[in-house]
Amino acid sequence: AQKITQTQPGMFVQEKEAVTLDCTYDTSDQSYGLFWYKQPSSGEMIFLIYQGSYDEQNATEGRYSLNFQKARKSANLVISASQLGDSAMYFCAMRARGSSTLGRLYFGRGTQLTVWP
Amino acid sequence: KAGVTQTPRYLIKTRGQQVTLSCSPISGHRSVSWYQQTPGQGLQFLFEYFSETQRNKGNFPGRFSGRQFSNSRSEMNVSTLELGDSALYLCASSPGRNTGELFFGEGSRLTVL
Repeated sequence: AQKITQTQPGMFVQEKEAVTLDCTYDTSDQSYGLFWYKQPSSGEMIFLIYQGSYDEQNATEGRYSLNFQKARKSANLVISASQLGDSAMYFCAMRARGSSTLGRLYFGRGTQLTVWP
Repeated sequence: KAGVTQTPRYLIKTRGQQVTLSCSPISGHRSVSWYQQTPGQGLQFLFEYFSETQRNKGNFPGRFSGRQFSNSRSEMNVSTLELGDSALYLCASSPGRNTGELFFGEGSRLTVL
């Protein structure tokens, strides 16, 4: 079974500073994908970044980067130069790569990020 | 192009009633998944449909069902509603490729009284 653990219920960061949101995962699969989503108070889940288990480079998307440490089974999200609009709930998620599981993500409990001026 | 559209956005039902939620995926996407989000249980997978076939199912009672139409639009139904069914129901679509991310809608917020 797949399990995602986010140990930080809440994080605070000052505007323009960088912040790291922690995520560890547990799986016996060799092939899997890791995702980060942002959920503002409106409810929509917004895709941020993806990392495949066989990708050698850490994924980056603008101000978001994923610090992937396979041996430690961690996939931390780094947000550089935080903005007030980054305040939201952030979810780490994992998907096994079998064809029958493409739409099934396992989510962590989330980290509520608050950016202050 | 248009994103994932879910209707209705908000609804209130009473115990024992049934409800049907609708999801229109992004054009060209053939996979639709449904998730339930509650404060107590977090985000839980309900089921996934691909080309009108249920491909995967989460651990929910039979009161929760779904279907997908030939145009990839999907509906989920919950019969005999219970108070614990109050939740945000999220729909996600994807092209179906192995590395494709899931695109979520804004959700349908169901309140059961």
